[in-house]
Amino acid sequence: DVKVTQSSRYLVKRTGEKVFLECVQDMDHENMFWYRQDPGLGLRLIYFSYDVKMKEKGDIPEGYSVSREKKERFSLILESASTNQTSMYLCASSFYYHRWETQYFGPGTRLLVL
Amino acid sequence: GQQLNQSPQSMFIQEGEDVSMNCTSSSIFNTWLWYKQDPGEGPVLLIALYKAGELTSNGRLTAQFGITRKDSFLNISASIPSDVGIYFCAGPTDSWGKLQFGAGTQVVVTP
Repeated sequence: DVKVTQSSRYLVKRTGEKVFLECVQDMDHENMFWYRQDPGLGLRLIYFSYDVKMKEKGDIPEGYSVSREKKERFSLILESASTNQTSMYLCASSFYYHRWETQYFGPGTRLLVL
Repeated sequence: GQQLNQSPQSMFIQEGEDVSMNCTSSSIFNTWLWYKQDPGEGPVLLIALYKAGELTSNGRLTAQFGITRKDSFLNISASIPSDVGIYFCAGPTDSWGKLQFGAGTQVVVTP
């Protein structure tokens, strides 16, 4: 079974703190994605990566950065957390050459910024 | 970018009832995907549609790819309590595997 794990299920941080969200997949997938999920807005893509050290901006990259030093790990970084970044963050991964149905999601990290 | 409009936003139904939801796009899609998100979990793929007019079933779920390629429908028959969750439609926006998601339909099933 494909497994996508996220470092924390719940996280509470203060405004201005640097926040790291980690995602690890065990299926040797090339593609990895970070989404944020807010009520009524669905899933919005923050960043994605199709290879080690490669990254591409999604629809809402402002205030975020990412790092992909190893194929299995994709990190989302909030350089200076703000209250409007309180949200559910979902990581996903997929094979590069497969169809889009193979995007597998982690359980999510619910981040609260005070 | 492409916009996916999903409706209804939420549904409160009784166990045993059928559920219908739909998704429309301002642009043509070549693939339509339907995901379900259980409470506290990440979304899981339910059904994938690849051809206009295609009708595909997965147990009590049936999804259709609209003829215009700008819409898709998901039906759940004889709902049960475990159907509770958020259902998302999605479609690819480029060849990298990026997906555009609808806002979701929250389904609540009461006994």
